[in-house]
Amino acid sequence: GNSVTQMEGPVTLSEEAFLTINCTYTATGYPSLFWYVQYPGEGLQLLLKATKADDKGSNKGFEATYRKETTSFHLEKGSVQVSDSAVYFCALSEADSGYALNFGKGTSLLVTP
Amino acid sequence: KAGVTQTPRYLIKTRGQQVTLSCSPISGHRSVSWYQQTPGQGLQFLFEYFSETQRNKGNFPGRFSGRQFSNSRSEMNVSTLELGDSALYLCASSIDRGRSTEAFFGQGTRLTVV
Repeated sequence: GNSVTQMEGPVTLSEEAFLTINCTYTATGYPSLFWYVQYPGEGLQLLLKATKADDKGSNKGFEATYRKETTSFHLEKGSVQVSDSAVYFCALSEADSGYALNFGKGTSLLVTP
Repeated sequence: KAGVTQTPRYLIKTRGQQVTLSCSPISGHRSVSWYQQTPGQGLQFLFEYFSETQRNKGNFPGRFSGRQFSNSRSEMNVSTLELGDSALYLCASSIDRGRSTEAFFGQGTRLTVV
């Protein structure tokens, strides 16, 4: 089967700090990789995605690169804002599991002014 | 266009009862998936429906079932509720499924079993 492991939170950062949230995966085939974000009281929103090795997904200043050699998809942002406070989920999908999203446990991020 | 709509937003049920949750996907989306979110287990896939047929199923007991109607709206049903079924149930819709298909999530239904 497949699985996703991401760093435990909560992560607390000051505004304008650099953010890294680690994510590694195991998969039987060639998965697509995603980062979703969940703001308080809301559902999940797709933040970015990458569908093949060496692809870089980016959105709203966030970036993640699909690294097949290290089976990783770490999320980074150069300068976080208070509005980035949320829970971030790394996920994968692949054909072997019918493209169902398999999520990591989530990492809670709190950005303080 | 309107997003994914889930009703109701909150539910309180008693052990042993059954419950039905509803999901209206984005117009034009034919695939609807359901996920359970709990603090302990995180987000877990329940099942996916496409064109009124269950196309994929996660590892949940038979008490969890679903269906999809011809207009792509979907319902999920949980029978003989247990305390452990308390969770946020999220519905996601997509045009279809595939390597790069984006899933759009609703705000969820918060089910509390007492």
